[in-house]
Amino acid sequence: AQTVTQSQPEMSVQEAETVTLSCTYDTSENNYYLFWYKQPPSRQMILVIRQEAYKQQNATENRFSVNFQKAAKSFSLKISDSQLGDTAMYFCALDTSYGKLTFGQGTILTVHP
Amino acid sequence: EAQVTQNPRYLITVTGKKLTVTCSQNMNHEYMSWYRQDPGLGLRQIYYSMNVEVTDKGDVPEGYKVSRKEKRNFPLILESPSPNQTSLYFCASSLSGEIPEAFFGQGTRLTVV
Repeated sequence: AQTVTQSQPEMSVQEAETVTLSCTYDTSENNYYLFWYKQPPSRQMILVIRQEAYKQQNATENRFSVNFQKAAKSFSLKISDSQLGDTAMYFCALDTSYGKLTFGQGTILTVHP
Repeated sequence: EAQVTQNPRYLITVTGKKLTVTCSQNMNHEYMSWYRQDPGLGLRQIYYSMNVEVTDKGDVPEGYKVSRKEKRNFPLILESPSPNQTSLYFCASSLSGEIPEAFFGQGTRLTVV
């Protein structure tokens, strides 16, 4: 069975600052994918960034980057230059079989002006 | 426009009254799933479908039914809803390929009284 743990229920950051959200996971699979999803108050699920486990290079999408530590089974999300529009719930998710996602509990991020 | 469409978006019903939440995708995706989102628990998979007429239980299947008679549709059926099924429900679809990115519907807020 797969598990994903987000140990930070809530985080806050000042606008323009940097924040890191933590995620750890457990799986016995060797091939898998990791994702960060953003859920704003509209409740829409928006893909932020994704990482293939077989790639050692950390994924980057504009202001969003990950620190993927495969041996430690850690997958943190760094948001640089935080913006008010980044305020949302963030979910870490693990995919070991196409479309069968295991999610963490979520982290509520608030960006303050 | 590529999308996953769920209906209804909001539903209040009474205990025991059968209901169906519809889900349709226009991307010709093989994989479709249903998730429920509860505070502090993240999203948990209810059922999963790999293709037409092929379904599998997820982590929390009790009290739910699904069917996949057409590739584009994957309805979620609650034959006898109970208050503990009050939740936010998401349908998602994904395509087999290099990266199994999931596309989510808008969500259905269900309240069972």
